Amino acid sequence: DGGITQSPKYLFRKEGQNVTLSCEQNLNHDAMYWYRQDPGQGLRLIYYSQIVNDFQKGDIAEGYSVSREKKESFPLTVTSAQKNPTAFYLCASSQTATNEKLFFGSGTQLSVL
Amino acid sequence: GQNIDQPTEMTATEGAIVQINCTYQTSGFNGLFWYQQHAGEAPTFLSYNVLDGLEEKGRFSSFLSRSKGYSYLLLKELQMKDSASYLCAVREGRDDKIIFGKGTRLHILP
Repeated sequence: DGGITQSPKYLFRKEGQNVTLSCEQNLNHDAMYWYRQDPGQGLRLIYYSQIVNDFQKGDIAEGYSVSREKKESFPLTVTSAQKNPTAFYLCASSQTATNEKLFFGSGTQLSVL
Repeated sequence: GQNIDQPTEMTATEGAIVQINCTYQTSGFNGLFWYQQHAGEAPTFLSYNVLDGLEEKGRFSSFLSRSKGYSYLLLKELQMKDSASYLCAVREGRDDKIIFGKGTRLHILP
């Protein structure tokens, strides 16, 4: 089955530690997105990528980094510079230049120890 | 910049009809999504409007007016399972940036 997979489902970060959230899709989509969701809030865009080896900052990119070395993978690193990382992180993918919907992964809940 | 507004919370009765509004200000509008999200889960797709008008899909309908920067999601014959957050999102620009509103929490009363 085609889809988008996020791992892990739950992740804990210690002070000063960098952690990486995985996102993999086998839908052959060009575009991939990372969103952050705080309790009772909507989704805020962190980074997005339209093509391999290229990505753009979203509205809240500070304290995060990404890479897009392969079409199917778009990992997100939460760095120690992100002082309030506790949130639900959602990865999504879509085909560009079409009317195709955004497909979501099941999310990763990140908490600080 | 972009701005997407929708009501924070709404309450409706089982079996009734509810309309959730969304207004937006963006550059290079390409389309508007509606997603449903239950607590702790990923959003699920409801509708995508590119052209003006109403699109109906079962109990759910979505309307778009590009000139007014306005959309609504209409839910008919409400069921208890429709209690969820409803997210409005806009696709914009040549780089297909997709921005979400803060979502509307819908409470269904028996």
